[in-house]
Amino acid sequence: QVQLVQSGAEVKKPGASVKVSCKASGYSFTGYYMHWARQAPGQGLEWMGRINLHSGGTKYAQKFQGRVTMTRDTSISTAYMELSRLTSDDTAVYYCAREPGGIIVDFDYWGQGTLVTVSS
Amino acid sequence: SYELTQPPSVSVSPGQTATITCSGDKLGDKYASWYQQKAGQSPLLVIYQDSERPSGIPERFSGSISGNTATLTISGTQAMDEADYYCQAWDSDTEDVLFGGGTKLTVL
Repeated sequence: QVQLVQSGAEVKKPGASVKVSCKASGYSFTGYYMHWARQAPGQGLEWMGRINLHSGGTKYAQKFQGRVTMTRDTSISTAYMELSRLTSDDTAVYYCAREPGGIIVDFDYWGQGTLVTVSS
Repeated sequence: SYELTQPPSVSVSPGQTATITCSGDKLGDKYASWYQQKAGQSPLLVIYQDSERPSGIPERFSGSISGNTATLTISGTQAMDEADYYCQAWDSDTEDVLFGGGTKLTVL
């Protein structure tokens, strides 16, 4: 069965960077896109960007351009999201989500979420 | 910038029909998806391509679109359906993914 397992909770200081991993299993890793979204406490979902797991090509939301980097390691079926220059506004649960591809962009599987807390 | 608008909250009695709307400019030209998120859990896809239901999602969940408004309908609402619901679409012009602000469904 398809599983997306994310890395554990992180506590970071303002100005630092965080790298969250998302290990996929149960399907052909490179046949899909992986997206990242976040959810601040008590708030809604916010899309951050996506990576083509075959080519490595990326598309980032304008809000995060220059601060986010999405990569993947196909040898271990793992996608990564790194966010730099953290502030308290970046405190949120970060999710990876699989996009099946094709003409429709939606997310059929989600990771369990990774809480990132930014605090001095 | 493109936005998807949902009502913040909807209340329904058990066994009744709940409707949650999502409106956006030119939404009718895109495909809408809907996600259910229960407290402390990851989102779950309940409707894709406006009206298609993934395997395992109960038949009481249905989706439709009229003009620039997508609607999620839950027939015979059960207590277990109490959750936040988010609509989502893809803007082909910018290649950005958009989420609505979310609707809290309360089953009274």
